[in-house]
Amino acid sequence: QQQVKQSPQSLIVQKGGISIINCAYENTAFDYFPWYQQFPGKGPALLIAIRPDVSEKKEGRFTISFNKSAKQFSLHIMDSQPGDSATYFCAATFNNAGNMLTFGGGTRLMVKP
Amino acid sequence: DAGVIQSPRHEVTEMGQEVTLRCKPISGHNSLFWYRQTMMRGLELLIYFNNNVPIDDSGMPEDRFSAKMPNASFSTLKIQPSEPRDSAVYFCASSLNVDSPLHFGNGTRLTVT
Repeated sequence: QQQVKQSPQSLIVQKGGISIINCAYENTAFDYFPWYQQFPGKGPALLIAIRPDVSEKKEGRFTISFNKSAKQFSLHIMDSQPGDSATYFCAATFNNAGNMLTFGGGTRLMVKP
Repeated sequence: DAGVIQSPRHEVTEMGQEVTLRCKPISGHNSLFWYRQTMMRGLELLIYFNNNVPIDDSGMPEDRFSAKMPNASFSTLKIQPSEPRDSAVYFCASSLNVDSPLHFGNGTRLTVT
């Protein structure tokens, strides 16, 4: 059972544009939603995370928007740069499960110069 | 900080052979996770240790897979006998405690022919 659905599978954005990746979850017990960035040949690296007590979190050019009622959350990359080209994974877990993460299927982002 | 160190980076073996993957977590981290990444199934949690003790191994595919953590600085994931469907990238990750940010190694790409 896929508990976290991620879309799109791939995304091409022009330099300077906004990249938007969406995730939807099923388990209402989830209460921690991180995003990971993975470059080829590397392991995923934590990018930004949110808990459901806030609707938005921003760190630099990266913003998570969270809609608890819709059970959806999204990653926005503002002013996208070629160096942002990577695969992005959303994930979810619940309080006493810690890093036992359920990952989305991933989005391969390409930012064209 | 050397990060999470995995070895080997690549492993090619024949069906039926035993395969051992190794992981050195970040010093001082108390939680260690093994994840598997495939195109079909994405990132899946296999097993998680806390203070060297296996806490949840419900993601281990079958009895051919076993994991150990004999001390705080070393863990192994063993597959015996290996099968072609085990071909994947296996990631080890560690965190200071169970709900601290997760740090992934660069993975071991396993190919079973």
